[in-house]
Formats: sequence, C-alpha cells, structure tokens
Amino acid sequence: GENVEQHPSTLSVQEGDSAVIKCTYSDSASNYFPWYKQELGKGPQLIIDIRSNVGEKKDQRIAVTLNKTAKHFSLHITETQPEDSAVYFCAASRNSGNTPLVFGKGTRLSVIA
Amino acid sequence: DAGVTQSPTHLIKTRGQQVTLRCSPKSGHDTVSWYQQALGQGPQFIFQYYEEEERQRGNFPDRFSGHQFPNYSSELNVNALLLGDSALYLCASSSGPTQETQYFGPGTRLLVL
Repeated sequence: GENVEQHPSTLSVQEGDSAVIKCTYSDSASNYFPWYKQELGKGPQLIIDIRSNVGEKKDQRIAVTLNKTAKHFSLHITETQPEDSAVYFCAASRNSGNTPLVFGKGTRLSVIA
Repeated sequence: DAGVTQSPTHLIKTRGQQVTLRCSPKSGHDTVSWYQQALGQGPQFIFQYYEEEERQRGNFPDRFSGHQFPNYSSELNVNALLLGDSALYLCASSSGPTQETQYFGPGTRLLVL
C-alpha cells in the first residue's frame, strides 16, 4: 500500500522568511496530493491540493510542487506570519481507485515573531 | 454554509466499554470517512460510508463499526475499548466516494482509562 514520508518533523523560521516541507510517496499510481493545516484543538483544514497532471500550484503565499518521477511533493510558504504556526500534513491517494488518503506524520511549524 | 460537525467534543470511557461518536457532513456532501489520529501522528483511515454502506475499510479490527443514515450523517461505534483507542477521532466529508477534497470536522477527543 501507499506510504508517505514527511520531513522535517519540526521547523522554526523567523517571521517573513520562507518555509518548505517535503513529502515522498511510494505508490506511483497516486494522483492526488492535498496539504492540511491543523491548529491546536482543531481538525485538519485543507489549504491546497495538487493533482498529478500539473507540476505546481499557487494560492497567494502558499505553493505546492510535484515531481512525479521522483515521487515527491513539497509545500512552500512565503512571507511567513505567526498565524502560520501549526502542524502541517501532506497526504496522497489514488482518487480514481479505491484507496483512501494516506497521511504523513506531520510537520510542526513555528514562526517566530 | 455549515461545515462538518462532530459530537461530542470530548469523551472519557473505561476499558471494555462501548462508545458512539457522531458526525454531520458539510452541506451538499454525501460521503463520510472516519479517521483516528493518535497524539503526534497523522490521521489514519478507519472506513468510509457512501449510500449508507461501508465502501472502504482501513486496517482496523471489527470492534470498529459504523453506520450512515439517509440524511448522510454517520456514527462510529467502538466496542470493548482498549487503552490504545485513546485518540482524536476525525470525520471528513466529501462529495462522492472518490476521496478527493475531503473536509474535516473538529474531531472527538476520546480518552480510555
């Protein structure tokens, strides 16, 4: 089955700097890759997703890149703000098949003011 | 537009007891998936309900069962609780069973003593 590895497990950046979180997946048939942000005491919130027919997607300060050949995808947050502090999860699935979302173990991002 | 709601928010049970957790999907969604999130881990897929039937199941024992009602709301039941069942239980809803674009509720925190 699918296995998703996520790095780093913790990340501290100064406010205004960029943050990058990387994930690798094992199933070459995976074609849907969402990223979730989870704040303390809350459920995961979808922040951006990408499908395998595109290599990059941007939404304001957030971007995701996908390298299908290497089977890895990354989340980039620019101009970080204290409210970006949270745990971020990547996930992968085959949306055209019968496989569920498989999540990485998460990255705890701290933005220092 | 109401998002995914879950009840209760917190629950304390003792070993051997049974528990029922409830979820109402986001308006317009007909598919509900349940996840277990242990402390410091990513969510793990338990099962998915669509058209009142269990469509997919993760690697969880038969002690975990569920139900979906005609209004698309869902219940997760866990029998013979073990200490290791202590976790955050998340419900996610989507439009259709293809796993894309899942929206999570705030979760139910279960503590088994």
